[in-house]
Amino acid sequence: AAGVIQSPRHLIKEKRETATLKCYPIPRHDTVYWYQQGPGQDPQFLISFYEKMQSDKGSIPDRFSAQQFSDYHSELNMSSLELGDSALYFCASSGERASTDTQYFGPGTRLTVL
Amino acid sequence: SQQGEEDPQALSIQEGENATMNCSYKTSINNLQWYRQNSGRGLVHLILIRSNEREKHSGRLRVTLDTSKKSSSLLITASRAADTASYFCATGYNYGQNFVFGPGTRLSVLP
Repeated sequence: AAGVIQSPRHLIKEKRETATLKCYPIPRHDTVYWYQQGPGQDPQFLISFYEKMQSDKGSIPDRFSAQQFSDYHSELNMSSLELGDSALYFCASSGERASTDTQYFGPGTRLTVL
Repeated sequence: SQQGEEDPQALSIQEGENATMNCSYKTSINNLQWYRQNSGRGLVHLILIRSNEREKHSGRLRVTLDTSKKSSSLLITASRAADTASYFCATGYNYGQNFVFGPGTRLSVLP
């Protein structure tokens, strides 16, 4: 079965650079979530989208923005990168709200900021 | 934030033994899910239990939910070395909303 796809899998950036992470949800899933997991930490919710509209916002810095496109894929844009942004970034998707609430996670993008 | 908390934070057992991990949360939930994460890898969904359910089974996994105590437990029976991973509980409050993850339990199953 198709899973959540994230790209790139690994990314190395310098401080103050920008990065764009992409997420392709499971087909027919309409909700996308972004989480950040620092070293040794539990995942922290950043932001979510339902039907291309932002549905919830967590601890996402103002330097980050995200959107969901008409094909339901989502991109997380990160600017003015800081060392503390080094983390695993997970995207998850879920199906139509009335049917299932399980979030299926992608493999993650490991971002390293030097 | 309404964060789940897991205990123990680390657990070491021998292959073949059972492993029990607990999770507590602070407010009413719609559902609770358990995920497994191998070191630095993605989160794998294990099982979902809804607030109106008390127990669910999936293979060697058994999850219980006690909404009066705001707690859940994950039991892995007949553990294997391949079960070595971190296990997170995640609580959901409304359909389509984000999960709140607990700090996770690091399980080591020794051969």
